[in-house]
Amino acid sequence: SQQGEEDPQALSIQEGENATMNCSYKTSINNLQWYRQNSGRGLVHLILIRSNEREKHSGRLRVTLDTSKKSSSLLITASRAADTASYFCATVPLEGGYNKLIFGAGTRLAVHP
Amino acid sequence: NAGVTQTPKFQVLKTGQSMTLQCAQDMNHEYMSWYRQDPGMGLRLIHYSVGAGITDQGEVPNGYNVSRSTTEDFPLRLLSAAPSQTSVYFCASSYSRGKGETQYFGPGTRLLVL
Repeated sequence: SQQGEEDPQALSIQEGENATMNCSYKTSINNLQWYRQNSGRGLVHLILIRSNEREKHSGRLRVTLDTSKKSSSLLITASRAADTASYFCATVPLEGGYNKLIFGAGTRLAVHP
Repeated sequence: NAGVTQTPKFQVLKTGQSMTLQCAQDMNHEYMSWYRQDPGMGLRLIHYSVGAGITDQGEVPNGYNVSRSTTEDFPLRLLSAAPSQTSVYFCASSYSRGKGETQYFGPGTRLLVL
């Protein structure tokens, strides 16, 4: 069963605007990761945030994590047409071993010039 | 480095046929895994391996076999293809089996089972 649920399912914005995507999950986690998938391509790792971290930045990306609410958000600032892609959150559960990722269904982002 | 490579890129099978999806990585990664992606859903874990000779089942293993005879290769075998196995298959690897390691994904194999 899927761990993460992204919201919204689809997002359409203009270039220069900010895009915010949310992810909720069900069980305790070791870490949460965000991936990007361009149409017809594989997934690319964007950022990882550990359960003891609250916020992380990478370039135009800002990720927050609220373990009490079991939720995370991904903010892309000053979006570009090249940011058009699907974005997935994936969690690594606290229980169990190894680096197994549990994915949500993703948010489809369209950035219009 | 080529990273994670997958072959073929696209395959059409008839129900009942068998085939092997190939996955290779040249990064000396310990951990490798197979996912399937269906429309409107995220990726679901099929099988994974924590090293040569060691494999285990993921969330949706039925109808698939794997083996890991070398560090580099992790093939996925469909024993008797069914239309429900129509999907996009992704192979991924990470440096170690530990939690928190970045996973690197291959470009995917699109499989259509008629």
